[in-house]
Amino acid sequence: DTGVSQDPRHKITKRGQNVTFRCDPISEHNRLYWYRQTLGQGPEFLTYFQNEAQLEKSRLLSDRFSAERPKGSFSTLEIQRTEQGDSAMYLCASSLAGSNPSTDTQYFGPGTRLTVL
Amino acid sequence: KNEVEQSPQNLTAQEGEFITINCSYSVGISALHWLQQHPGGGIVSLFMLSSGKKKHGRLIATINIQEKHSSLHITASHPRDSAVYICAVIRLRETSGSRLTFGEGTQLTVNP
Repeated sequence: DTGVSQDPRHKITKRGQNVTFRCDPISEHNRLYWYRQTLGQGPEFLTYFQNEAQLEKSRLLSDRFSAERPKGSFSTLEIQRTEQGDSAMYLCASSLAGSNPSTDTQYFGPGTRLTVL
Repeated sequence: KNEVEQSPQNLTAQEGEFITINCSYSVGISALHWLQQHPGGGIVSLFMLSSGKKKHGRLIATINIQEKHSSLHITASHPRDSAVYICAVIRLRETSGSRLTFGEGTQLTVNP
C-alpha cells in the first residue's frame, strides 16, 4: 500500500454512460497526476495538478474528459459519453514538490480498471 | 517512435538466473525511473537515477547518460520477481512537475 487510494477499483459501464473516478493522494503531497494504461502498454500522461490548479492536460484528454482537484486534496476524473476506446486502467499518482522536480518520487494508486461495453 | 524503448518485451527465466532489462531513450532527461507493476495494476518505484549505479538487495540499476541507456539487473532471480518492469524518464525542462514518460514495459516471468 503506497498510501494513494483510488475508487472504484473496477468499473464496467455501457457505451454512452458517464463515469467518475476518485483519487485520494498522500495527504501532504501537493502534486497529483493522472495516467492511462491500455493493455500491454506503458502508462500515458493525462493531466497534472499542482495543489488545486490543473497545470497541464495531454492531447489525449478530449473534451469528454474533465478532471478536478478541489481544495488541492482528492481529485476526480470524469469521462462523459464513454466509448469502447476509453477502456483502460486509469492510474493516479502523487508527489511532494521539492526544489528539484527531478527528485520527486511519484507514489501510484492501485488504479481503476474501466471496461466500456 | 517512442521516446522510451525497452527490450526485451517479454522475458522468461529459470529461478536463479541473472536477468537484464534494457532501456533506451531519445530525449534529454533529468532523471530515469525503474518501476515494478504487479498483476492488478499497482506500480512501485524501484530506483530513480540521474547518473551512475544504484543497488538495492538483488536489484541493480545503471545509467549511461552519454549513450542514453539504462539497464536493470536482477541477480539470483526468484519467482516472486515475476512482474512488469517499466522504465520511465523525466524530460529535461519538463513543465509538468515530475511528469513521467514511460516505456512499454518488460513482462518478466521467473519459473521455479
